[in-house]
Amino acid sequence: AQSVTQLGSHVSVSEGALVLLRCNYSSSVPPYLFWYVQYPNQGLQLLLKYTTGATLVKGINGFEAEFKKSETSFHLTKPSAHMSDAAEYFCAVSEIGQGAQKLVFGQGTRLTINP
Amino acid sequence: GAVVSQHPSWVICKSGTSVKIECRSLDFQATTMFWYRQFPKQSLMLMATSNEGSKATYEQGVEKDKFLINHASLTLSTLTVTSAHPEDSSFYICSASRPAGGTYRGGYTFGSGTRLTVV
Repeated sequence: AQSVTQLGSHVSVSEGALVLLRCNYSSSVPPYLFWYVQYPNQGLQLLLKYTTGATLVKGINGFEAEFKKSETSFHLTKPSAHMSDAAEYFCAVSEIGQGAQKLVFGQGTRLTINP
Repeated sequence: GAVVSQHPSWVICKSGTSVKIECRSLDFQATTMFWYRQFPKQSLMLMATSNEGSKATYEQGVEKDKFLINHASLTLSTLTVTSAHPEDSSFYICSASRPAGGTYRGGYTFGSGTRLTVV
């Protein structure tokens, strides 16, 4: 069974600093990988996803993530944090198969930005 | 872009009553919809997967008679919480999946969620 581990339930960085949110997955085969952001009392918004091709994926709001198969990781980064980045971030995986596959989420990382 | 509309955004109901939550895909046909439950400060837990025109597939531990899911059309899925109790209070989120070029390459769009409070 697939599983997702997000290291650090809470990450705090200063405005303008590097953001690094860690995600490791456990899967028998490389899955599809996603990062979502959730603001309070809202649904999830897709930041970026990896399916095939280039392992460095660029997303919205200046975020990017790199798929490293050898490390089974998909860490999310942003060079310079902005106050508006404060939110909950979820890493998720899905299997590759016929039809829609369910997403398995990590436990989430709350990102706090200090002024 | 793909849009999923979820209503209501919040609801308060009395214990013992039933509540229906709607999830609509506005600009695409969603063959598959997913229903998640999220407790405060926790991750999303998949409750069930619904495919248009067929019975929903429930995850282990989810009571199918408690959480009724109907996916009668390609644009609408509903979740009904029957005989709600305070422990059913939670944030419920739907997600609709759409194919891209014949494969489901991550085409998941989430609704904005429904905050259910049972008093």
